[in-house]
Amino acid sequence: AQTVTQSQPEMSVQEAETVTLSCTYDTSESDYYLFWYKQPPSRQMILVIRQEAYKQQNATENRFSVNFQKAAKSFSLKISDSQLGDAAMYFCAYYRDDKIIFGKGTRLHILP
Amino acid sequence: ETGVTQTPRHLVMGMTNKKSLKCEQHLGHNAMYWYKQSAKKPLELMFVYNFKEQTENNSVPSRFSPECPNSSHLFLHLHTLQPEDSALYLCASSPKRGSGIGETQYFGPGTRLLVL
Repeated sequence: AQTVTQSQPEMSVQEAETVTLSCTYDTSESDYYLFWYKQPPSRQMILVIRQEAYKQQNATENRFSVNFQKAAKSFSLKISDSQLGDAAMYFCAYYRDDKIIFGKGTRLHILP
Repeated sequence: ETGVTQTPRHLVMGMTNKKSLKCEQHLGHNAMYWYKQSAKKPLELMFVYNFKEQTENNSVPSRFSPECPNSSHLFLHLHTLQPEDSALYLCASSPKRGSGIGETQYFGPGTRLLVL
């Protein structure tokens, strides 16, 4: 069965600095999708970034980028130039064959 | 806003009550989902509807009863709940199952449920 592990329950980063959130997953499949979702306090969960497993190039969205290591089954999220609005719970998710599995999340604090 | 709305936003109910949660999406999506989010636990997928047909039921107790009258609306009927059912219930939608574009989920704000 597939699993998604986020080993950092909480992290803090100074405003304007860079932070990396880790995610590992377990699957025997070769074709799947990976996501990072952000859930700000009392606000809706939104997609941050998406990666197709068949693509070797790491996805990027403005200040957000991923380090996708398929062989190691690792999918970390890097946030550059952290801003106060980045404070949120971040969830890593795996999707394949109509099934989506989320990690437990990492709470990110931004220090002014 | 993601185009997915949920009502009510907060709900307190006794164990003998019957209530319903409502979800509406304005995105033209064909797949809709119910999730349960409890503290310190991963997001749990409860039900999936694809073109109004239920395609997934992740061993959810029968005290939770979903209904999808059309592709834009999704309900979760609640009856005889237990205190451990207290959680944030999230609704989500996605464009189309099996579209090959990856299941990007668009989430609603959730209903915070407290069962006394």
